[in-house]
Amino acid sequence: QVQLQQSGPGLVKPSQTLSLTCAISGDSVSSNSAAWNWIRQSPSRGLEWLGRTYYRSKWYNDYAESVKSRITINPDTSKNQFSLQLNSVTPEDTAVYYCARDVPLWDLDCWGQGTLVTISS
Amino acid sequence: QSVLTQPPSASGTPGQRVTISCSGSSSNIGSNTLNWYQQLPRTAPKLLIYSNNQRPSGVPDRFSGSKSGTSASLAISGLQSEDEANYYCATWDDSLIGWVFGGGTKLTVL
Repeated sequence: QVQLQQSGPGLVKPSQTLSLTCAISGDSVSSNSAAWNWIRQSPSRGLEWLGRTYYRSKWYNDYAESVKSRITINPDTSKNQFSLQLNSVTPEDTAVYYCARDVPLWDLDCWGQGTLVTISS
Repeated sequence: QSVLTQPPSASGTPGQRVTISCSGSSSNIGSNTLNWYQQLPRTAPKLLIYSNNQRPSGVPDRFSGSKSGTSASLAISGLQSEDEANYYCATWDDSLIGWVFGGGTKLTVL
């Protein structure tokens, strides 16, 4: 049974960096078949995919164009987790952030519990 | 504006059958399998249908999915009050190189 446990602050000041972590149990961040995603949800933008990291003999990242200049997703193999960093945040980045696994056939099959991040001074 | 298009709302009475549509394009639904998610208030989306029409273990067979061309639909038969939730479709987009979602359909059980 795969479980994803998110952690990180719920309040970030404008222009600062949003940082979240997703700890994986029941699978490996270095899996050759899974990819590890960050997705956010807000009333104005709905569900929005932000990016993912995955290992296929080496590490790869895919990022959404809307955040490409501001986002970094990193794996941490020592702790079996992955992280999200979103720079230069504005109030428009206020959302519930989810981490999620995607695997062949099942696609986005397992999600973290969600973290409400508010961007406010 | 979401890449996939869903009706914002749907409703039905207990026992009825309702369907929710999802339309996209050749770069997403037309090229990849489609998934459906159920989201209850203040919870993460839960996988309801994968690979167009497959149910994960534990999902009642009242839920079914289908896909044709660049459109898909979710059908819920024998509607129950516990089915009241938001439903989202999702798939991979080969042009955008990322996961894309519908705007969600709020299902009300009258």
